Amino acid sequence: NAGVTQTPKFQVLKTGQSMTLQCAQDMNHEYMSWYRQDPGMGLRLIHYSVGAGITDQGEVPNGYNVSRSTTEDFPLRLLSAAPSQTSVYFCASSWTGEDGYTFGSGTRLTVV
Amino acid sequence: AQKITQTQPGMFVQEKEAVTLDCTYDTSDQSYGLFWYKQPSSGEMIFLIYQGSYDEQNATEGRYSLNFQKARKSANLVISASQLGDSAMYFCAMREGWQNRDDKIIFGKGTRLHILP
Repeated sequence: NAGVTQTPKFQVLKTGQSMTLQCAQDMNHEYMSWYRQDPGMGLRLIHYSVGAGITDQGEVPNGYNVSRSTTEDFPLRLLSAAPSQTSVYFCASSWTGEDGYTFGSGTRLTVV
Repeated sequence: AQKITQTQPGMFVQEKEAVTLDCTYDTSDQSYGLFWYKQPSSGEMIFLIYQGSYDEQNATEGRYSLNFQKARKSANLVISASQLGDSAMYFCAMREGWQNRDDKIIFGKGTRLHILP
């Protein structure tokens, strides 16, 4: 039982490059979310999903796309990376509406 | 307006003392949940405690308890008999919207707790 797996753990991008942060969970959780963590800002919600085929925007969605074609996977796409997207990204999932999230170990992204 | 407000950016507490970390929230939902997470220097997010909006008793988990005052929209975390290992960032979070399938969890900015020997 791997829980929530995020890849890669570290990434350096050049401005304008694109990439996908991967998130997979093996707990059959319906609910999945992406957060970014910046110093002094806490965790801010980027996108979230309440089930396969359903996604919605969170607090800071600009510059990011998501899709949820399966229950297990919830990739986050940066189409054209900007230095402002330098952050630590967390993926999280849960089973029901009354559960807390299980978090992945995070991806540290630097855009130069 | 902020959904979750943590007014203490940092706190210093003597080892073995009790600690209260403040959290206030804002929601118009009748059903919601409140959480506390711990983030040590290693960066992982650790779930500590959960309180549902309809729970009449305050949640407790070992040395952690949640002081839930619904009318004041307050959900403070109390850590009894603090230990050096409690030094970490603590986040308050609220889950809302699950009744209309707009389910999401919003976090506060966190409180960094330092336990002094």
